[in-house]
Amino acid sequence: AAGVIQSPRHLIKEKRETATLKCYPIPRHDTVYWYQQGPGQDPQFLISFYEKMQSDKGSIPDRFSAQQFSDYHSELNMSSLELGDSALYFCASSSRGGDATDTQYFGPGTRLTVL
Amino acid sequence: AQTVTQSQPEMSVQEAETVTLSCTYDTSESDYYLFWYKQPPSRQMILVIRQEAYKQQNATENRFSVNFQKAAKSFSLKISDSQLGDAAMYFCTVNFGNEKLTFGTGTRLTIIP
Repeated sequence: AAGVIQSPRHLIKEKRETATLKCYPIPRHDTVYWYQQGPGQDPQFLISFYEKMQSDKGSIPDRFSAQQFSDYHSELNMSSLELGDSALYFCASSSRGGDATDTQYFGPGTRLTVL
Repeated sequence: AQTVTQSQPEMSVQEAETVTLSCTYDTSESDYYLFWYKQPPSRQMILVIRQEAYKQQNATENRFSVNFQKAAKSFSLKISDSQLGDAAMYFCTVNFGNEKLTFGTGTRLTIIP
């Protein structure tokens, strides 16, 4: 079965640079979620989108922005990167229209390292 | 406040034995969804099992089962016939009805050959 795709898998940036993370949800899934997992920590919710509209917002810095496109893929844009942004960024997707609409399936994550 | 607590930072079990991971949570909601995810060394987040709070029957998935006690706000995971591939960080996770998942701090499970 198709899974959530994230790209790139690894990304190395310098401080103050910009990064863009991409997420392609499971086909026919309409909701996308972004989570940040720091070293040795549990994942923290950043933001979610349903049908291309922002549906919920967590502890996402103002330097970050995200959107969902017409093909349901999503991009997380991160500007003015700081050392503390180094983390594993997960995208998850779910479908509100089918069974188990609450179940989120995670992608493999993008490991961002800020030097 | 809606919180998820895992009080066992680390657990270990002999291969083929049974182990139970504990989880408690706090919420004033009556309808919510509970999950256990595992995160092996690859860091992939893998769904293990799902439970709906309005269902009294405990969920099972092959060797994995839960003991859901709604009144006690407890949601433990039992792994039977433990295998080496079960070694991972296990996160108790709750969707309190507001879309996002709230994670516990995780329990690192080691399987002893």
